[in-house]
Amino acid sequence: NAGVMQNPRHLVRRRGQEARLRCSPMKGHSHVYWYRQLPEEGLKFMVYLQKENIIDESGMPKERFSAEFPKEGPSILRIQQVVRGDSAAYFCASSPRQGKGETQYFGPGTRLLVL
Amino acid sequence: AQSVAQPEDQVNVAEGNPLTVKCTYSVSGNPYLFWYVQYPNRGLQFLLKYITGDNLVKGSYGFEAEFNKSQTSFHLKKPSALVSDSALYFCAVRDQRIGGNMLTFGGGTRLMVKP
Repeated sequence: NAGVMQNPRHLVRRRGQEARLRCSPMKGHSHVYWYRQLPEEGLKFMVYLQKENIIDESGMPKERFSAEFPKEGPSILRIQQVVRGDSAAYFCASSPRQGKGETQYFGPGTRLLVL
Repeated sequence: AQSVAQPEDQVNVAEGNPLTVKCTYSVSGNPYLFWYVQYPNRGLQFLLKYITGDNLVKGSYGFEAEFNKSQTSFHLKKPSALVSDSALYFCAVRDQRIGGNMLTFGGGTRLMVKP
């Protein structure tokens, strides 16, 4: 059973460009979470999605950031008009069920560098 | 609101000695508690979690953690450290009743095990 997959692993963008980060959850998992990790800091929650639904986006910046988890295909975190402050590691996690006791399993992350 | 504190940025221990990585939490209700480990340029790997029942939880790679409700702590322990345990360790919490499904992480503790 493959783990959570994320691509690309590393992404370099210039200011003003768009960044698209992809996440394929573990097989059988229909709940996806995105977190951001700034250098030398813990992870901060961004958004929680189920198939075709955004359940909780309380951690998402109000502008430039969006996320989706379509019926078919991976979850996408999209950052428009990137700025240097967006440079971070972005982690996706998945779980099989919604319960609060459920373990979230993390992917290897996408490290975004904005020049 | 839920929060986690990891009071030590770094813990140094000699190989073969016992190790403790500290974590305290704050939630409105009862907590679900998790420990993850992160190796350089990798995602987070799940170690163990406390849901209910026994206060002493055993996890992967010989790690264990003790839930102490009166002290609101969930310290990670291992009887005999290995050099390969050197990594970044994160404690996370989720309130059982209040709030969403997101995990709230501590800032991380870097464990250095010296030969």
